[in-house]
Amino acid sequence: DIQMTQSPSSLSASVGDRVTITCQASQDISHYLNWYQQKPGKAPKLLIYDASNLETGVPSRFSGSGSGTDFTFTISSLQPEDIATYYCQQYANLPLAFGGGTKVEIK
Amino acid sequence: QVQLVESGGGVVQPGRSRRLSCAASGFTFSSYGMQWVRQAPGKGLEWVAVIWYDGSKKYYADSVKGRFTISRDNSKNTLYLQMDSLRAEDTAVYYCARPTTRDGSVFDYWGQGTLVTVSS
Repeated sequence: DIQMTQSPSSLSASVGDRVTITCQASQDISHYLNWYQQKPGKAPKLLIYDASNLETGVPSRFSGSGSGTDFTFTISSLQPEDIATYYCQQYANLPLAFGGGTKVEIK
Repeated sequence: QVQLVESGGGVVQPGRSRRLSCAASGFTFSSYGMQWVRQAPGKGLEWVAVIWYDGSKKYYADSVKGRFTISRDNSKNTLYLQMDSLRAEDTAVYYCARPTTRDGSVFDYWGQGTLVTVSS
């Protein structure tokens, strides 16, 4: 089974800061990686699919990159509404696997 | 618009059973594989199970294999999760999710979730 290691588990940043989250797969998953945002009490929301494709309607300050085993998720300018937990998810193989999540807070 | 509405959650004793439902609308349900994902209180997301669009294939996480059964009724636009031999560690919010493509695993629609609490 593929394991997804996400870091950091939490971070605190100021409004306007650039925020970066990393996700590492235990084996090559090519580009089969998604990023989701989850706010408290809500279902996850798809932000990035296929490692770097922005879902329709998602602000352009969100981006993703990487392939193989190492992936990066970036918020170019953190906004107050971005406070949430972010998860990566691999879908190269079953069982699907999510990273442990990164909780983003405002400093 | 696409809607997924889960139901069936509640408090259940260890060792007992529970069936969750996910009512789908706003899209051609029979054209999509469907999946269940759960989230224990304060924890991350865990994939549970997938069923092909026609019900021909089903796959499970090791943590639920042999205890949970995913099924669907395309005539009723409904997805199910039969949970047997429940354990305390099955306590979670259970989400149904629809992928962007028929048998894909990129989830663009999720239900609101239903909470299952396994406790005596």
